[in-house]
Amino acid sequence: KNEVEQSPQNLTAQEGEFITINCSYSVGISALHWLQQHPGGGIVSLFMLSSGKKKHGRLIATINIQEKHSSLHITASHPRDSAVYICAVSGGGADGLTFGKGTHLIIQP
Amino acid sequence: ETGVTQTPRHLVMGMTNKKSLKCEQHLGHNAMYWYKQSAKKPLELMFVYNFKEQTENNSVPSRFSPECPNSSHLFLHLHTLQPEDSALYLCASSQGPRNEQFFGPGTRLTVL
Repeated sequence: KNEVEQSPQNLTAQEGEFITINCSYSVGISALHWLQQHPGGGIVSLFMLSSGKKKHGRLIATINIQEKHSSLHITASHPRDSAVYICAVSGGGADGLTFGKGTHLIIQP
Repeated sequence: ETGVTQTPRHLVMGMTNKKSLKCEQHLGHNAMYWYKQSAKKPLELMFVYNFKEQTENNSVPSRFSPECPNSSHLFLHLHTLQPEDSALYLCASSQGPRNEQFFGPGTRLTVL
């Protein structure tokens, strides 16, 4: 079974700062997912990637398959980025997702 | 608006009750999932359905009984639950079991 580790668990930063959230996993995967969860529970898929780098607006996700590691970066952070960011992996023999514990991000004005 | 709806959004039930959670997706996907999110714990996969066939049961107790009558609808039937089953239950769908997943808003369940 895949183990997914995220760091940091909690992160508080000032508006405008560059944010990095890290994720590592233990077993080979078909894809890695970055998800965002706002208070109230709704989850939005930010990225799904199996190699390289993807960018969407101020969000950038990278993955290193050899090192089994991924990072999510937020540039020019804003208070509306405050949320829980969750790393999840698919594959490794399973059809569903295996999740990390999440990173609780607070961006202060 | 994600295209995946769940009802009810909140549910309070006693341990002897029987209730059902409903999920519907309007995205034309063929895979659907139930996940559980308990306080202070990571999200956990419960069940996976692909083209109405169950492909994964993640060692879920039999008091949770899933049903997938077609690719657009997914139910979770609940009976004789325990207080520790109180959690947020999330439904998701995808085009194929290993593609990007779209989540519903969840049902917050409290078992008294």
